Amino acid sequence: QQPVQSPQAVILREGEDAVINCSSSKALYSVHWYRQKHGEAPVFLMILLKGGEQKGHEKISASFNEKKQQSSLYLTASQLSYSGTYFCGTETRGGSEKLVFGKGTKLTVNP
Amino acid sequence: DSGVTQTPKHLITATGQRVTLRCSPRSGDLSVYWYQQSLDQGLQFLIQYYNGEERAKGNILERFSAQQFPDLHSELNLSSLELGDSALYFCASSPFPGGTNSPLHFGNGTRLTVT
Repeated sequence: QQPVQSPQAVILREGEDAVINCSSSKALYSVHWYRQKHGEAPVFLMILLKGGEQKGHEKISASFNEKKQQSSLYLTASQLSYSGTYFCGTETRGGSEKLVFGKGTKLTVNP
Repeated sequence: DSGVTQTPKHLITATGQRVTLRCSPRSGDLSVYWYQQSLDQGLQFLIQYYNGEERAKGNILERFSAQQFPDLHSELNLSSLELGDSALYFCASSPFPGGTNSPLHFGNGTRLTVT
């Protein structure tokens, strides 16, 4: 039931773009995205609820394809502050409301 | 600052012992979630409470238990501790019983080291 994230790690130079994917074997009701910096608590980025919905947060946006049971997080023109581990959390349809997180994608942005 | 308070920040104890981790949710939030984060394991969902009642359970061991009190703070009790229980334990809160319509706000975690 744990969503699968890919890639496991990404290394970028400042200004480059990245895509992080999150997929589930079960029908999804919602997808959350969080970023965690080393030694800190995860911080909320965005929630996607509807199929095909796309949301944005500064230069970070995400899409949710309900039919394919997957979501993608897009980071454009990356900044040093984007470094951290990105987690997707999913709630499945007919589930018990628990939010289950993937293992995370470690993003490193170098100057 | 997320508004979620976890105590203690660090806990070092021996195998076989019992510990209690405490969480105070953000003001107005009725839901409390507990997650365990071990190295390379991501955030493992343990249990969720809403307004004092258990709402969802994850892969929580029988040695672990939790409760949410009338003032909405929550405690996670870990007993018969093993080396493998060493991890960062996060508490998160939200206003609603489900996670769909509201983000989770995480506390800074309690780092448990079992020696």
